[in-house]
Amino acid sequence: DTAVSQTPKYLVTQMGNDKSIKCEQNLGHDTMYWYKQDSKKFLKIMFSYNNKELIINETVPNRFSPKSPDKAHLNLHINSLELGDSAVYFCASRNRAETEAFFGQGTRLTVV
Amino acid sequence: AQSVTQPDIHITVSEGASLELRCNYSYGATPYLFWYVQSPGQGLQLLLKYFSGDTLVQGIKGFEAEFKRSQSSFNLRKPSVHWSDAAEYFCAVGAATGYSTLTFGKGTMLLVSP
Repeated sequence: DTAVSQTPKYLVTQMGNDKSIKCEQNLGHDTMYWYKQDSKKFLKIMFSYNNKELIINETVPNRFSPKSPDKAHLNLHINSLELGDSAVYFCASRNRAETEAFFGQGTRLTVV
Repeated sequence: AQSVTQPDIHITVSEGASLELRCNYSYGATPYLFWYVQSPGQGLQLLLKYFSGDTLVQGIKGFEAEFKRSQSSFNLRKPSVHWSDAAEYFCAVGAATGYSTLTFGKGTMLLVSP
């Protein structure tokens, strides 16, 4: 009964490959996010979706494409992976009526 | 634009000693403030939050934080640290309205010595 779940937890892949990370929340929240945590542990927002609609798209290469098939899911697809994409990616969800965001366990992506 | 500063990259505290982690924020309106903790290899867990009312808020695991508007600060405290508190601590600012995201500080790594 995990609130926000991400798969996979670890992902090792070669440069140039395309990969996806899946996220699901069972909290009934309206808004979902993708954050990137770099090697220095800095967390930065990448995307925000509300009810399947893209709300926030920070300065992220267009190789990154989020997709929200329904408001409980927000997947992240990455094309043509580069070494610099190596990071931990966190999915989160939040309800507009509440304040805190709930985070998944993270996906550690390593590009070799 | 909102921002959060955590001036200490890492702090070492003896087990049983008190702890204070500093957080300063910049935000144009009344901020909503959060402290999250991240244990190695884990996701982020909410420790506590402030959005209105009493400026001293209590959280889980014996943590508390005090909102000081005049100093734009939201420092995290614990009277007696346990070895299991060793982790990365993040302060964040956001708003409850609209589609506001959380802006995080760069984190403070807490090391606990025996």
